[in-house]
Amino acid sequence: AAGVIQSPRHLIKEKRETATLKCYPIPRHDTVYWYQQGPGQDPQFLISFYEKMQSDKGSIPDRFSAQQFSDYHSELNMSSLELGDSALYFCASSPAGRGLTDTQYFGPGTRLTVL
Amino acid sequence: QKEVEQNSGPLSVPEGAIASLNCTYSDRVSQSFFWYRQYSGKSPELIMSIYSNGDKEDGRFTAQLNKASQYVSLLIRDSQPSDSATYLCAPSLADKLIFGTGTRLQVFP
Repeated sequence: AAGVIQSPRHLIKEKRETATLKCYPIPRHDTVYWYQQGPGQDPQFLISFYEKMQSDKGSIPDRFSAQQFSDYHSELNMSSLELGDSALYFCASSPAGRGLTDTQYFGPGTRLTVL
Repeated sequence: QKEVEQNSGPLSVPEGAIASLNCTYSDRVSQSFFWYRQYSGKSPELIMSIYSNGDKEDGRFTAQLNKASQYVSLLIRDSQPSDSATYLCAPSLADKLIFGTGTRLQVFP
């Protein structure tokens, strides 16, 4: 079965640079979620999209922005990178719409290292 | 106080034993619960979901939910070394998951 695809899998950036992470949800899933997991931490919700509209927002810095496109893939844009942004970034998708509690399936993650 | 509390472990059990993982949550959190397994450096993998009070069994895994006590647990029967991982309790709140810090399980041969 098709899974969530994330690219790139690894990314190394310098401080103050920008990064773009991409997520391709499972086919026919219309909801995408982004999570950040720092070293030794639990995943923290960043933002979610349903039908190309932002549906919820968590602890996402103002330096970060995201969107969902017409083909349902999503991109997380990160600017003015800081050392503390080094983390695993997971994308998850679900077939449910906003407000529902359907199962979220996680992608393999992007490991971002900021030097 | 975190919305979701788990014992960080490690919880060490011998191969073949039952591993019991516990999770408590605050009353703000939604009433749908998920257990994920995460190997080091990998993504969370769904183990079980549970929505109503009582037990739900799936193979070697049993999830238990007690909404009155704000408590959810995961039992792993016949534990295997391959079950060694961090287990994340994740209630949902609207359309996002609120993760606990996870319990690290070690199954030794």
